[in-house]
Amino acid sequence: DAGVIQSPRHEVTEMGQEVTLRCKPISGHNSLFWYRQTMMRGLELLIYFNNNVPIDDSGMPEDRFSAKMPNASFSTLKIQPSEPRDSAVYFCASSFGLAGGRYNEQFFGPGTRLTVL
Amino acid sequence: KNEVEQSPQNLTAQEGEFITINCSYSVGISALHWLQQHPGGGIVSLFMLSSGKKKHGRLIATINIQEKHSSLHITASHPRDSAVYICAVVTDKLIFGTGTRLQVFP
Repeated sequence: DAGVIQSPRHEVTEMGQEVTLRCKPISGHNSLFWYRQTMMRGLELLIYFNNNVPIDDSGMPEDRFSAKMPNASFSTLKIQPSEPRDSAVYFCASSFGLAGGRYNEQFFGPGTRLTVL
Repeated sequence: KNEVEQSPQNLTAQEGEFITINCSYSVGISALHWLQQHPGGGIVSLFMLSSGKKKHGRLIATINIQEKHSSLHITASHPRDSAVYICAVVTDKLIFGTGTRLQVFP
């Protein structure tokens, strides 16, 4: 298996533009997580899905952020409009388990480094 | 005060030394994760613990639920162990520590 795939790996955009980050989880995994990592705040969980349904989106910073998982093999994280403070590395991770994804080993993608100018 | 505290923040060691990284938390948890983040940025899950002890190769993780404390030990450390080690606790959320940066010199 190729592992968790994220695209793009790097994104540079201007303030106000829409940004879409993509994630393909490991085939067969039923939980998917979006994280943000910054120097100031470290790793933060933004949202996670179980069986394609958003379970906890309390980490999503504000309405400018939205995430979707239309099927078991694809998820997007969208920022509209983007702001310089959104600059960070965004990680996607997936896991498999019956008890809910937070309790199971997670496999991380390589991350997308976002820079908003 | 952060709900998850790691110590030390930075750690240097000579190859071969025994390493201990600590994670203390102030909330009730159902599980705890240890993650490793390599210098290139990639993140690997090392352990998920809810009680007792787990071992994988040279890595050992322990947790004491009553004392709200977990430790990650590395035996016979090697330069390739140089990374940031992050603990995360599972409550109704996932709460991350700020990480421990380990450098192992030959």
